Amino acid sequence: AQSVTQLDSQVPVFEEAPVELRCNYSSSVSVYLFWYVQYPNQGLQLLLKYLSGSTLVKGINGFEAEFNKSQTSFHLRKPSVHISDTAEYFCAVSASGGYQKVTFGTGTKLQVIP
Amino acid sequence: NAGVTQTPKFQVLKTGQSMTLQCAQDMNHNSMYWYRQDPGMGLRLIYYSASEGTTDKGEVPNGYNVSRLNKREFSLRLESAAPSQTSVYFCASIFDKGALNSPLHFGNGTRLTVT
Repeated sequence: AQSVTQLDSQVPVFEEAPVELRCNYSSSVSVYLFWYVQYPNQGLQLLLKYLSGSTLVKGINGFEAEFNKSQTSFHLRKPSVHISDTAEYFCAVSASGGYQKVTFGTGTKLQVIP
Repeated sequence: NAGVTQTPKFQVLKTGQSMTLQCAQDMNHNSMYWYRQDPGMGLRLIYYSASEGTTDKGEVPNGYNVSRLNKREFSLRLESAAPSQTSVYFCASIFDKGALNSPLHFGNGTRLTVT
């Protein structure tokens, strides 16, 4: 069985400051990892994904994440946040093929303070 | 370029009433999904349809039924609504369920309140 944990339900950060949103997963097999973002009153959009290869993954809007197999983590980072980054961010994991097997985390609300 | 369209956007039901949530995609996707989103619980898969003519249960199927009407449309039905079904419902689609290299495309959601 697979699971994903987002320990921080809310993260406030000042505009132009760096941010890290934490994601840890558990699985007994190789995994595929995703970060999705949800802006207010919208559906989710893919920010970035790790399927294989380089452990540092770059996504849209200046976000990046690093896959750390030994620590079973996939933390999301941005060096300088903007007001428009205010949203809820979901980490997701799949330990086998197919989106029907994807498990979403509980989400982290990023609040960017002017 | 509509993507995934969900109707209605909002709905209030009384306990025991029934309703159908509609979802349509215009991207020629084969696989479609219904999720519910609850505070502190993330997204949970209710049902999915890997291709036209097939449907399968997800993590939380109890109290729901689905119909894959054609390739474009995938509806979710609540036969007898309960307060525990108060949630935000999202429909999503992708060309192929195994295509993890591609993103899921989500609709904007239906906010359902059952009183």
